[in-house]
Amino acid sequence: AQSVTQLDSHVSVSEGTPVLLRCNYSSSYSPSLFWYVQHPNKGLQLLLKYTSAATLVKGINGFEAEFKKSETSFHLTKPSAHMSDAAEYFCVSLGGFKTIFGAGTRLFVKA
Amino acid sequence: DAGVTQSPTHLIKTRGQQVTLRCSPKSGHDTVSWYQQALGQGPQFIFQYYEEEERQRGNFPDRFSGHQFPNYSSELNVNALLLGDSALYLCASSSRRELLLSTDTQYFGPGTRLTVL
Repeated sequence: AQSVTQLDSHVSVSEGTPVLLRCNYSSSYSPSLFWYVQHPNKGLQLLLKYTSAATLVKGINGFEAEFKKSETSFHLTKPSAHMSDAAEYFCVSLGGFKTIFGAGTRLFVKA
Repeated sequence: DAGVTQSPTHLIKTRGQQVTLRCSPKSGHDTVSWYQQALGQGPQFIFQYYEEEERQRGNFPDRFSGHQFPNYSSELNVNALLLGDSALYLCASSSRRELLLSTDTQYFGPGTRLTVL
């Protein structure tokens, strides 16, 4: 069965400090994995995607994620948080024509 | 190049009514998927259309139906509305060819906020 687990429902960081949003996946296939961001009352914006080309994926706005097959993880990181990063982040798995969203992680950024 | 567009942006209905939401995919995309996002939750997959046929379906009742037109645009219909149908409905478009090549990316529209009173 295919599943996505975002390990933290809320993460709070100070501006300028690193961000780590954790995601574990389970899939019978070799999935494509994505991170999307959703700002309040907005649609979903693609941050980055993994499709087996390279395990370290760089996305927009300084975000990156590393695919670790041995740990079935696809954690999202950013070296230095900005106030504008405050939003909801979703880890998404696409495998066998089926798209599964994680429950989301709300990122708070303190000044 | 226009991205994914959805209409209307907001809608208020009463219980028992019927509603139709519309989506135009990104240029070059032929596959449309619909999602329901309840407040404070992640999107839940409703169904996907390709070549004017429903290809995949999530765990939603038959009250939820859809249609895809020859120009790849799509409609989501919900009959006999319930209070619990209140949510943000998201449309995503993608390319079937890219999906088969495992390079598929879904692009999302801004959503339609449906409120059922």
